[in-house]
Amino acid sequence: EDQVTQSPEALRLQEGESSSLNCSYTVSGLRGLFWYRQDPGKGPEFLFTLYSAGEEKEKERLKATLTKKESFLHITAPKPEDSATYLCAVRNKLIFGTGTRLQVFP
Amino acid sequence: EPEVTQTPSHQVTQMGQEVILRCVPISNHLYFYWYRQILGQKVEFLVSFYNNEISEKSEIFDDQFSVERPDGSNFTLKIRSTKLEDSAMYFCASTRMGGSYNEQFFGPGTRLTVL
Repeated sequence: EDQVTQSPEALRLQEGESSSLNCSYTVSGLRGLFWYRQDPGKGPEFLFTLYSAGEEKEKERLKATLTKKESFLHITAPKPEDSATYLCAVRNKLIFGTGTRLQVFP
Repeated sequence: EPEVTQTPSHQVTQMGQEVILRCVPISNHLYFYWYRQILGQKVEFLVSFYNNEISEKSEIFDDQFSVERPDGSNFTLKIRSTKLEDSAMYFCASTRMGGSYNEQFFGPGTRLTVL
């Protein structure tokens, strides 16, 4: 059965304090891993698609990487506006993890 | 920038009533999806829709649920007889091409409250 596990569940950072979020997956034949950002009461907002192990994508302070078993979302020098829940998902009927709730304090 | 829209933003209904949630996907997208998120839980797949028919559905999507594309722009989710446990955020998503590689774009959601 396809499964996605994210850790940590919650992360509190000071502004400027870099960190990484983890997404472990078990899927038969990965055909794309997706990262989304979700603000409270809003729909998931697309960030990245990673297609194969070794691939990296960057957008502003975020960098997503992929191995054969997990993906990391690295946040460099975060700002308070980066506070959100970050979700990873696999498959076209997206199977989501429970997310990491990130809070960045000034 | 084109986006998925959903109406209403919040729907309150009595248990046993029918509700219809509406979505307008991005105009050149061909694949449509409904997801739900119960408060504090993960986003769950309900159904995918392509070429005017359901392509895949989850165990959650039982006979009480139906989807329709009544015209060239709207995509609807109907719940025939709502239960308390149907209370959740419902998200519509769309993508231009199908398959696992293509990112889905989500609407802002409809919060359904069943009393």
